[in-house]
Amino acid sequence: AQKVTQAQTEISVVEKEDVTLDCVYETRDTTYYLFWYKQPPSGELVFLIRRNSFDEQNEISGRYSWNFQKSTSSFNFTITASQVVDSAVYFCALSEELIQSYNTDKLIFGTGTRLQVFP
Amino acid sequence: DVKVTQSSRYLVKRTGEKVFLECVQDMDHENMFWYRQDPGLGLRLIYFSYDVKMKEKGDIPEGYSVSREKKERFSLILESASTNQTSMYLCASSPPRHNTGELFFGEGSRLTVL
Repeated sequence: AQKVTQAQTEISVVEKEDVTLDCVYETRDTTYYLFWYKQPPSGELVFLIRRNSFDEQNEISGRYSWNFQKSTSSFNFTITASQVVDSAVYFCALSEELIQSYNTDKLIFGTGTRLQVFP
Repeated sequence: DVKVTQSSRYLVKRTGEKVFLECVQDMDHENMFWYRQDPGLGLRLIYFSYDVKMKEKGDIPEGYSVSREKKERFSLILESASTNQTSMYLCASSPPRHNTGELFFGEGSRLTVL
């Protein structure tokens, strides 16, 4: 069965520390996508990244970086030099392929990791 | 600015009441979704719709129904609200699969059933 595990429920760091959020997934699909979303206190989930299962290159976007390792079924997210504005709940998600006629996939979300960055 | 708008941020209802949660998107997206978010459980899919008048059950459809009469609007209906339906409800929309697959979310509707 498809599953996403975010073992870290809550992480607290002090500003400027680096922090890594872990994500482990299970899937029987050969083609799938992995996502990270950020949910700030306002409540609206914001898309951060999508990664194709065939693309294992790490990605960096400013202070954010993602490490995708198919061998360990992990898609970890690192924030470098964290800031107070990074405080949020972060969700990892996995696409589950639905039948073609739906023209959409279903996203399976992890339980989220609450990150608190203190000044 | 693209947007998914949920009609109510906070609602308080009584057990047995019929509840409507409305969601409107302005991006002309084919797909729309209703998720429920609970602490320790993450987001769970209730229903989704891939076209007008088309709907499919998600993982936890019991106690809910949906309506999609127009492309931009997707409603979640609780026919007879119960206390275990107290939760945060999130609406999302997305373009067809061949696009980014990104979901665009609304700000959520926090429902309390007394």
